Amino acid sequence: SQQGEEDPQALSIQEGENATMNCSYKTSINNLQWYRQNSGRGLVHLILIRSNEREKHSGRLRVTLDTSKKSSSLLITASRAADTASYFCATGDNFNKFYFGSGTKLNVKP
Amino acid sequence: GAVVSQHPSWVICKSGTSVKIECRSLDFQATTMFWYRQFPKQSLMLMATSNEGSKATYEQGVEKDKFLINHASLTLSTLTVTSAHPEDSSFYICSAWGPPLPENIQYFGAGTRLSVL
Repeated sequence: SQQGEEDPQALSIQEGENATMNCSYKTSINNLQWYRQNSGRGLVHLILIRSNEREKHSGRLRVTLDTSKKSSSLLITASRAADTASYFCATGDNFNKFYFGSGTKLNVKP
Repeated sequence: GAVVSQHPSWVICKSGTSVKIECRSLDFQATTMFWYRQFPKQSLMLMATSNEGSKATYEQGVEKDKFLINHASLTLSTLTVTSAHPEDSSFYICSAWGPPLPENIQYFGAGTRLSVL
């Protein structure tokens, strides 16, 4: 399977704290993306990092990619209650097919 | 921009019946659409990829005759779950892409929750 693993599976923090989620994958990739899913809803694209990039920022999000370790991390700084959701990493191949990680369920307590 | 609409959002059906789920790109032409299945508290599993005007490509282990995919136009793809059984109960999500949208980003519908009694 090309699907990756994410840890932790669940994370509960207080509003204002930082949240870090990790993703590991198995095969060579063209790019890696992070998506957010609110309960029972579709996915929203957050950020994309290409295989030749090591770090990328978007607002309160910071993504790192280590292709030698086949891993990525998503950091959400100064978390808010509205950040409560499940977060998935997805690896893309050359045919634009995605393989999703197992997801991290983030709960930000107000 | 890049809005994908999925309908219905929730469907309950009897075992043995067929259910059709629609995925529409509202403000772009979707040359490629993807169908995923998600079990409770689990990740998304890619079921198939469909390109407009051609047959869908199914992932290993996905029954073609069970999950019929049609992508007859640049704005509509349908997934039909034929002769549904309780084990087909799941959350089905579509995504779409088409030029000139950024490559390697898929735009997702809100999903369809299927419950088979």
